[in-house]
Parts: sequence; structure tokens; C-alpha cells
Amino acid sequence: QVQLQQWGAGLLKPSETLSLTCAVHGGSFSGYSWSWIRQPPGKGLEWIGEINYSGSADYNPSLKSRVTISGDTSKNQFSLNLSSVTAADTALYYCARDGSGSFALDIWGQGTMVTVS
Amino acid sequence: QSALTQPASVSGSPGQSITISCTGTSSDVGGYNFVSWYQQHPGKAPKLMIFDVNNRPSGVSSRFSGSTSGNTASLTISGLQAEDEADYYCSSYTTRNTLVFGGGTKLTVL
Repeated sequence: QVQLQQWGAGLLKPSETLSLTCAVHGGSFSGYSWSWIRQPPGKGLEWIGEINYSGSADYNPSLKSRVTISGDTSKNQFSLNLSSVTAADTALYYCARDGSGSFALDIWGQGTMVTVS
Repeated sequence: QSALTQPASVSGSPGQSITISCTGTSSDVGGYNFVSWYQQHPGKAPKLMIFDVNNRPSGVSSRFSGSTSGNTASLTISGLQAEDEADYYCSSYTTRNTLVFGGGTKLTVL
């Protein structure tokens, strides 16, 4: 059974770069696309971006200038970098798998709370 | 990109049916059959309930169904149960090859 395990720094200062990594366990990185999503406390979900197995990425236009998503097929991992963070970037960050190729996110990581203060 | 529009809250009694709407544009909901619905209980990660408008992943109850009409997608839950009380989010693929979520709907089972 495929599981996603994510980790990264949970407390950042304004202007620093947020870095999170998500590892794919029990399945292959190849053949799927992989997303990052965030959820500010008490608020809804926001899609950050997605990378496919060939390394091509797409981003939320509102975050595109600050976001980089990269993948490492040899390690079955993908990562999120978000630069120049502010308090508005405080959120629970999730990684997830697009299982169908139509942005249906069928497997989610446990979430990582990132606070900018 | 603007979030899809969902009602903030809906409620229903056990055994009843409820429908949650999700309104977008012709650039997302109305343009593709790539609408998904997620259930999120407090403190938990979202769970995929419906994908590609009206398909259920393995293990999801047949009480959950989806549909679209024009730029509006709908999630219907029949035979409402206490365990269905949660937040529900729709999402759609967009013309910009991106994903957009709805604002979320809190379902209360009375």
C-alpha cells in the first residue's frame, strides 16, 4: 500500500525559504504526478503545484514566482521550496499523489505544519 | 485563479439526502470532466470521495455520488449518517493545467 511520508522545518522567519520533502513508500514515483497543497489554520485547501514523473512542473499562478517543485526518482521523493515566506504562508502543508492523471489526489501525506513568525 | 464557489454549510438529518454544489466557470468545472470531491474530518488529511465527476474510488460508499450541469458540480450524499459530518471540498482541473479547490462546505448531521 502506497504511503507518503513528509518532513521539513516547521518554524521559519519572514523572508526565509520553506523546504519540505515527501517520500513515496510502497510504490513507484514513476508514472504518476505529485502535488503539494496547503491549508491555513481554519481555512480551505489551496493547491500549490504539481510535478510529473518526467520532471515537468505546473504551479498555482498566485505562487508561481516563489515556488519550485522538484523530484528525485532515484530516491522516490519530491520536494517543495517556497521562497520569501511571510505570515500568510503559515499553513498545514500536504503532499499528495494524482492517481488518475486528472488531478484526483488519492493518497495524501500526514501533513506538516509550517509557521512563519 | 479564483476558488470554486461552495456553500459554507449544509445540514441534514440521519437518513436524509443532501447535495453540495460547486460552481466554477467554463475554464474549469464546465470545461472538463475532471471534478473531484474530498471529505476532511477535523485533524485529518482530506480523503478522495469522487473523481472525474462521478467515479468512486475503491472503498468509498455508494451513498456518495457526483454530477455536473454546466459550470456547476454537485455532490450528493444519500442515507446521511453521523460519520458523514465533515468538511467537503470540490476541485477541478483548469485550462491553465492547474488545479483549483472550492472554499469548502461544512456538513452538519443533525
